Amino acid sequence: SQQGEEDPQALSIQEGENATMNCSYKTSINNLQWYRQNSGRGLVHLILIRSNEREKHSGRLRVTLDTSKKSSSLLITASRAADTASYFCATDTQETSGSRLTFGEGTQLTVNP
Amino acid sequence: DAGITQSPRHKVTETGTPVTLRCHQTENHRYMYWYRQDPGHGLRLIHYSYGVKDTDKGEVSDGYSVSRSKTEDFLLTLESATSSQTSVYFCAISDWFSYEQYFGPGTRLTVT
Repeated sequence: SQQGEEDPQALSIQEGENATMNCSYKTSINNLQWYRQNSGRGLVHLILIRSNEREKHSGRLRVTLDTSKKSSSLLITASRAADTASYFCATDTQETSGSRLTFGEGTQLTVNP
Repeated sequence: DAGITQSPRHKVTETGTPVTLRCHQTENHRYMYWYRQDPGHGLRLIHYSYGVKDTDKGEVSDGYSVSRSKTEDFLLTLESATSSQTSVYFCAISDWFSYEQYFGPGTRLTVT
């Protein structure tokens, strides 16, 4: 079964609004990562948050992690039409080098101009 | 796509035929991965490699085999393709000092 589950499955907003996507997982993790996938393309890494971190920022992205609730959220502020894509969370339980990612099913974000 | 190519990009094959997909990287990264992506399942790990000739199974490895004879190439073979293996296949790489993975453009495989 999938380790991560995203919520909502689909989200449609207007340009300039904020978009929030949530991810829940089941087992202890080393880190949690968020990826973006544009239609017909490969996944692109956005941000990684380690299990001992609670919040991380990168540009317009803000990720939070609550290990007690086994959940994470991705906030995209001031969204743009170019942010339209699928967003996936991925949990990594590997403690040594390299990574073993388990992906959720993704959230399809549509930003309307 | 971070110096990762996949070939072929599209393939249509018949049930029962063997199929080999190739992933080639120019980043000299240690780890390589094969995933499949299906609607309703996200990405699922098929096999991965942690060095030349070192591979291990992922979540959905039945019906697939892999080989890595050089750092830059990771091959995925479907021994006898079935319709359930119709999917989009992604290769990814990562290095020993980083947990981030970098993905190739994908191969769309259709088994008729």
